[in-house]
Amino acid sequence: GENVEQHPSTLSVQEGDSAVIKCTYSDSASNYFPWYKQELGKRPQLIIDIRSNVGEKKDQRIAVTLNKTAKHFSLHITETQPEDSAVYFCAAGGGATNKLIFGTGTLLAVQP
Amino acid sequence: DTAVSQTPKYLVTQMGNDKSIKCEQNLGHDTMYWYKQDSKKFLKIMFSYNNKELIINETVPNRFSPKSPDKAHLNLHINSLELGDSAVYFCASSQGWGAGANVLTFGAGSRLTVL
Repeated sequence: GENVEQHPSTLSVQEGDSAVIKCTYSDSASNYFPWYKQELGKRPQLIIDIRSNVGEKKDQRIAVTLNKTAKHFSLHITETQPEDSAVYFCAAGGGATNKLIFGTGTLLAVQP
Repeated sequence: DTAVSQTPKYLVTQMGNDKSIKCEQNLGHDTMYWYKQDSKKFLKIMFSYNNKELIINETVPNRFSPKSPDKAHLNLHINSLELGDSAVYFCASSQGWGAGANVLTFGAGSRLTVL
């Protein structure tokens, strides 16, 4: 079945450093790759997404890259701030079943 | 105005009881979902409805029964609650059919604790 692997499961960085979270997916028909941020006790919220016709997308300090051949995509956060601390979920969707499959999450801790 | 609202926010109950969680969205979206987030934070799709029709029904015990009276509402009823049902249940909605290609808007979650 469809599967999305996400690494690392936890990531601790110093304020101002960069953070990178990587995901791989199994369904080659997937064509939509969103990233959700979930702060402690809150709901997941979309922070950025990319579709398969694009290799990279940037929004201020956040960027996502996609390698369709290798079936992996990554989230890059530059100049991290304490408010970036949260659980980040990657997801892959748009395959035959049109389901969105979430990765297992990465707990990012930004140390001030 | 809250876009996707679900009630109750917290639910503590005994094993064997039956409980319901309600969800409403005022975004005019066509599709609604129930996701389960367990203690390890895994987010798993349970059900998806498009215009009141069941589209996705994952491998969920039949003790879980969703109901969509109209496209703005999706309720979840759980019979004979078990300890393993303890989790946070998130309602979500999207424009158009399918979470596979559309942005999900999540509710605030309903934390269910089964004792």
